[in-house]
Amino acid sequence: EVQLVQSGGGLVQPGGSLRLSCAASGLTLRNNWMHWVRQAPGKGLVWVSRISGDGRTASYADSVKGRFTISRDDARNTLYLQMSSLRAEDTAVYYCTRNLGDNWGQGILVTVSS
Amino acid sequence: EIVMTQFPATLSVSPGERATVSCRAGQRINNKLAWYQQKPGQGPRLLIYDVSTRATGIPDRFSGSGSGTEFTLSISSLRSEDFAVYYCLQYSNWPFTFGPGTKADIK
Repeated sequence: EVQLVQSGGGLVQPGGSLRLSCAASGLTLRNNWMHWVRQAPGKGLVWVSRISGDGRTASYADSVKGRFTISRDDARNTLYLQMSSLRAEDTAVYYCTRNLGDNWGQGILVTVSS
Repeated sequence: EIVMTQFPATLSVSPGERATVSCRAGQRINNKLAWYQQKPGQGPRLLIYDVSTRATGIPDRFSGSGSGTEFTLSISSLRSEDFAVYYCLQYSNWPFTFGPGTKADIK
């Protein structure tokens, strides 16, 4: 059974940093495109970032480009989203997903507030 | 960025009735269109990809159609568990973009 288990969310001050993790079991991350999608409270879904199976291609939404970095640790089979220079508008539930398909993490809340 | 539009924003339907959600892309998206269902407090669930292919385990009362820039999700006979928010997604061009969502609620 495929599972994506997320961790690392919480409350952070504006301008701060946070790293989200997405630990995979039942699948090998290096064989799959992986994505991050977020959802602000009461709002719709927004695609944030993706990384290719070979790790050579990473893409970002304009709203996070230069502030967020997607990466992967193949030994740990874990996906990451390093978030820096956080803003209030980054407050959202963040989901990791395998190829925007059947497998999604449980979602984790990031709150940016002073 | 391709802008995705959905209508209606809210769909009031009685159980057993047919529901139709429309999605329009700002440009042609080569049939790279998916539909998701989301219930309160849950993550998205993939229903349809490549316009009309049902994902694993999705009942056949859900169907997708369309081409070019106009797409439709149909639910043939709504059940209580189908009252949720539905999103379309284009994955033809990055950044991938979601529609704003359509809420199906009980009439």
